[in-house]
Amino acid sequence: QAVVTQEPSLTVSPGGTVTLTCGSSTGAVTSGHYVYWFQQKPGQAPRTLIYDTSNKHSWTPARFSGSLLGGKAALTLSGAQPEDEAEYYCFFLYSGTRVFGGGTKLTVL
Amino acid sequence: EVQLLESGGGLVQPGGSLRLSCAASAFTFSHYVMSWVRQLPGKGLEWVSTISDSGDTTHYADSVKGRFTVSRDNSKNTLYLQMNSLRAEDTAVYYCATEGSYYDSWGQGTLVTVSS
Repeated sequence: QAVVTQEPSLTVSPGGTVTLTCGSSTGAVTSGHYVYWFQQKPGQAPRTLIYDTSNKHSWTPARFSGSLLGGKAALTLSGAQPEDEAEYYCFFLYSGTRVFGGGTKLTVL
Repeated sequence: EVQLLESGGGLVQPGGSLRLSCAASAFTFSHYVMSWVRQLPGKGLEWVSTISDSGDTTHYADSVKGRFTVSRDNSKNTLYLQMNSLRAEDTAVYYCATEGSYYDSWGQGTLVTVSS
C-alpha cells in the first residue's frame, strides 16, 4: 500500500495564498488516484472539500481549488480566512484500496 | 437531510470483539458504496474498509484484514463492522461515510477503546 506524504504543518497570513501538496511513494499522482481533500476541525467529523482531483461539493468555498502539480496532488487556498484554520487530509481511492495522507495542520496567522 | 448514526463503540479488552453499526436515513442507502474510516486519538485519519452497494465486494486496510468484517443490510439501511481480535492500536473513533456520493456524508463517530 502506498505511503501518502503531506506537509505536517503550514502557516498562511489572512488573505494570503497557500498550496498544500500530497505525494505518493509509488510515483507520480495522476487523475487515476481519484484524489480527495478533506478538512477537519477539532471535535468535528471530516468534511470533503474536493473530490476526483479538482471537483468541489456545493459547500466548498470558491477560494479552495484542487489540481495536479509536479507529480503531486495540490490543494490551493487563495484568500485565506481565519475559519480555514484546520487539519487537511488528502486521500487516494484507486485499485480497490484507499489511503489517507498524514494530514497538514494549517494555521492562519 | 442525510443522516448516519454510528453505535456499538465502547471499552473492550485486547483480543475481544465488538460490532459497530451505522444507521442511515434520508437517502437510498442501497445505492451507495459505504466506508469505515477511523481516527486514532490525536492522530490522523485511517481508511478501514469499504463495501459495495450490493454488499458483494469488500476491501480492507492491511492493518485490519482477517480481523474485521464489513457487511450491510440494505433492508434495514444499516452498515456494520464486526471487529475481532482487537488490539490496543485499534483504539480510535470510527466513522462511517458515503463513498458513493464522494464522501459527502459522515456520521459523528463512535469511540472504541481497547484496553485491559
